[in-house]
Amino acid sequence: GAVVSQHPSWVICKSGTSVKIECRSLDFQATTMFWYRQFPKQSLMLMATSNEGSKATYEQGVEKDKFLINHASLTLSTLTVTSAHPEDSSFYICSALEVGQYFGPGTRLTVT
Amino acid sequence: LAKTTQPISMDSYEGQEVNITCSHNNIATNDYITWYQQFPSQGPRFIIQGYKTKVTNEVASLFIPADRKSSTLSLPRVSLSDTAVYYCLGGKEGGKLIFGQGTELSVKP
Repeated sequence: GAVVSQHPSWVICKSGTSVKIECRSLDFQATTMFWYRQFPKQSLMLMATSNEGSKATYEQGVEKDKFLINHASLTLSTLTVTSAHPEDSSFYICSALEVGQYFGPGTRLTVT
Repeated sequence: LAKTTQPISMDSYEGQEVNITCSHNNIATNDYITWYQQFPSQGPRFIIQGYKTKVTNEVASLFIPADRKSSTLSLPRVSLSDTAVYYCLGGKEGGKLIFGQGTELSVKP
């Protein structure tokens, strides 16, 4: 089946710094990828839709200047959390569309 | 996008069949129903998808009645490793997915 990877799997950063998370479709090309955030004991919350070659579409309430998304190729989308704060600590998950939607393993971000 | 309602939690024992029912009263004509499984600190894993009637694969069956306002995921003979959160989603194939609260299934020995 289709495989989606994320890097890094976990990251710890200091408050005020920026962190980049990569999402790759390993064995297929994905015109569309999605980014989710999940807090402990909660469901996944869709943050944005990433489209190759165009600007991402953000869900209501998600700050596009804080969560920068770049989908520069058909196999890679990146999410950059800018000026991270402790409240941005969460589990970030991406997914990619092939025939169906396939999810990456997630990235645990901890901001100290 | 269809709003879905599921039981928050369910308990079962090893070897039993588990049925998780999801309500999606406002599902659109073109929406599919998809179920995902998620273990702690992992991304969701696709289980099964259907549009109507019954779909079966190697891990589960999905029953969708004619009115499509609900669906039931059936897991035959569960084991401890099936302890996870199960999400029911309604949406167009290839479209964005909005996750509901999910059902936390606990399988006991």
